[in-house]
Amino acid sequence: DQQVKQNSPSLSVQEGRISILNCDYTNSMFDYFLWYKKYPAEGPTFLISISSIKDKNEDGRFTVFLNKSAKHLSLHIVPSQPGDSAVYFCAAFRDDKIIFGKGTRLHILP
Amino acid sequence: GAVVSQHPSWVICKSGTSVKIECRSLDFQATTMFWYRQFPKQSLMLMATSNEGSKATYEQGVEKDKFLINHASLTLSTLTVTSAHPEDSSFYICSADGLAGSSYEQYFGPGTRLTVT
Repeated sequence: DQQVKQNSPSLSVQEGRISILNCDYTNSMFDYFLWYKKYPAEGPTFLISISSIKDKNEDGRFTVFLNKSAKHLSLHIVPSQPGDSAVYFCAAFRDDKIIFGKGTRLHILP
Repeated sequence: GAVVSQHPSWVICKSGTSVKIECRSLDFQATTMFWYRQFPKQSLMLMATSNEGSKATYEQGVEKDKFLINHASLTLSTLTVTSAHPEDSSFYICSADGLAGSSYEQYFGPGTRLTVT
């Protein structure tokens, strides 16, 4: 049973435009959510997180939105830059356990 | 889809003993595996990167003699916490880079909760 789902395996966005990465979850008991970015052959790096009691968190070009009723969160990157091309993982934390989605590969087009 | 398993999922040990955690890629060959540590309500901390058949590359501040990593085959990496102390209690996660189908992907294990008493 996949508790954290990223249904889009890949996404292409024009440089300068907004990138929107989506994530759905099935368990309403998650405490908080995180987004990670990963380049090939490197470990993922933490981007931004959001507590389950909030609906928005912003950090520079990155904003995460949480819709608890829909069990959905999204990561907005604006403006998108070439260095944003990477795989993005959504993760959820509950009971001292972190559960990852399968990732979305973001391509920023020149 | 590709799966990464970890064993054990939960372990309690006494201070001073050593604990081995296994990370296996179940249906693909993992050329690179990563080990992370997560403290409660904090993000993952990369500990080391291991490539099959070669020595692991440790991140700054991680004691290589305390956290022994062995990547003996393309499907198995082990992390041994030697002479464990209560401050080593944490959640340890592995991930594996490997060829799944026609592309390289990264897959995360479910994690191992270590409690040192």
